[in-house]
Amino acid sequence: GQNIDQPTEMTATEGAIVQINCTYQTSGFNGLFWYQQHAGEAPTFLSYNVLDGLEEKGRFSSFLSRSKGYSYLLLKELQMKDSASYLCAVSERDDKIIFGKGTRLHILP
Amino acid sequence: DADVTQTPRNRITKTGKRIMLECSQTKGHDRMYWYRQDPGLGLQLIYYSFDVKDINKGEISDGYSVSRQAQAKFSLSLESAIPNQTALYFCATSDPSREDTQYFGPGTRLTVL
Repeated sequence: GQNIDQPTEMTATEGAIVQINCTYQTSGFNGLFWYQQHAGEAPTFLSYNVLDGLEEKGRFSSFLSRSKGYSYLLLKELQMKDSASYLCAVSERDDKIIFGKGTRLHILP
Repeated sequence: DADVTQTPRNRITKTGKRIMLECSQTKGHDRMYWYRQDPGLGLQLIYYSFDVKDINKGEISDGYSVSRQAQAKFSLSLESAIPNQTALYFCATSDPSREDTQYFGPGTRLTVL
């Protein structure tokens, strides 16, 4: 069956680094997305990983291990505006997108 | 102008009423999706459509129906609304040539009393 797991909530301090993990078991695998969603707003795209390894994009990086069914999103130099939910989503072999329940990240000053 | 629009943005209705949520896009994407979001449950896929003649059920299609009127329009209907359909509903589009990155509309907040 399909299962995507990520922590429900995390707290970090402004200026620090935080890693949000995601594990998945799905019917086939095309790639893995990370989205950011501020409260009451629509999700916005952060990253997409197809191959194993680390993809860096400014303060945000995303890692994928296909053999382990594991990904993480790394946020550096945290800012207050990074307080949001972070959604892990998998594109399955039939191109259907399945989302995890999201990780709510709280940033403390 | 927004690329993906949803109407209405907010709706309060009563149990048993028929409700239609509409989604329009100007991105020229063939693929469109409807999701619902409940607190703590992430996004759940209701229906998706890969072109005008293609409609597929998602994870939670019971109690919902859809219509793909044109490439740019994808409507979600609740034939007889019930209180546990109270949620935030998002429409999204994607382009398979761009990894199917989802572009979301602003959402419709639906309350069923």
